[in-house]
Amino acid sequence: AQKVTQAQTEISVVEKEDVTLDCVYETRDTTYYLFWYKQPPSGELVFLIRRNSFDEQNEISGRYSWNFQKSTSSFNFTITASQVVDSAVYFCALNSNYQLIWGAGTKLIIKP
Amino acid sequence: ETGVTQSPTHLIKTRGQQVTLRCSSQSGHNTVSWYQQALGQGPQFIFQYYREEENGRGNFPPRFSGLQFPNYSSELNVNALELDDSALYLCASSLQREATYEQYFGPGTRLTVT
Repeated sequence: AQKVTQAQTEISVVEKEDVTLDCVYETRDTTYYLFWYKQPPSGELVFLIRRNSFDEQNEISGRYSWNFQKSTSSFNFTITASQVVDSAVYFCALNSNYQLIWGAGTKLIIKP
Repeated sequence: ETGVTQSPTHLIKTRGQQVTLRCSSQSGHNTVSWYQQALGQGPQFIFQYYREEENGRGNFPPRFSGLQFPNYSSELNVNALELDDSALYLCASSLQREATYEQYFGPGTRLTVT
């Protein structure tokens, strides 16, 4: 069965520090998609990135970067030079037919 | 292009009552998925509607039901409310039913059952 594990329940760093959020997944599918979403205190889930299983290139978008490693079934998310506005709960998700399987989320606190 | 909207924002109901939550999908999206998110947890898939038909269902009892209308907006109905139904209910729309496409979420409806 598909499963997504985000072992870090909460991370707290000081502004401008780099921080990495871990995501480990389990699936028997040969083709699959992974996602990261951000959920600020307002509650709305905001899409960040989608990655398919055939594309193992790292992705960088501004201060955000993602490291996908099929060999370790991981899809980690790094924020460089963190800012207070990055404070939120971050979710990793895996597709399974018509639904997304979600991790429990990592609460990220950025202190000024 | 308008985003996904949900109503109401907050709702308080009594155990045993029935509730209807509403969702308007993003323009051009024909698929709506509903999720339940308990406090401190990730979302759990309830069901998906594609072109007015239920296309997939998670591990939720039949008292959770839904509808999708010709304009692709959707309703989630919950009968015989239980205390454990207290959660944030999220609606997401997407271009296709396969979950390989990104889903765009509304702000959610916070349901409290007392």
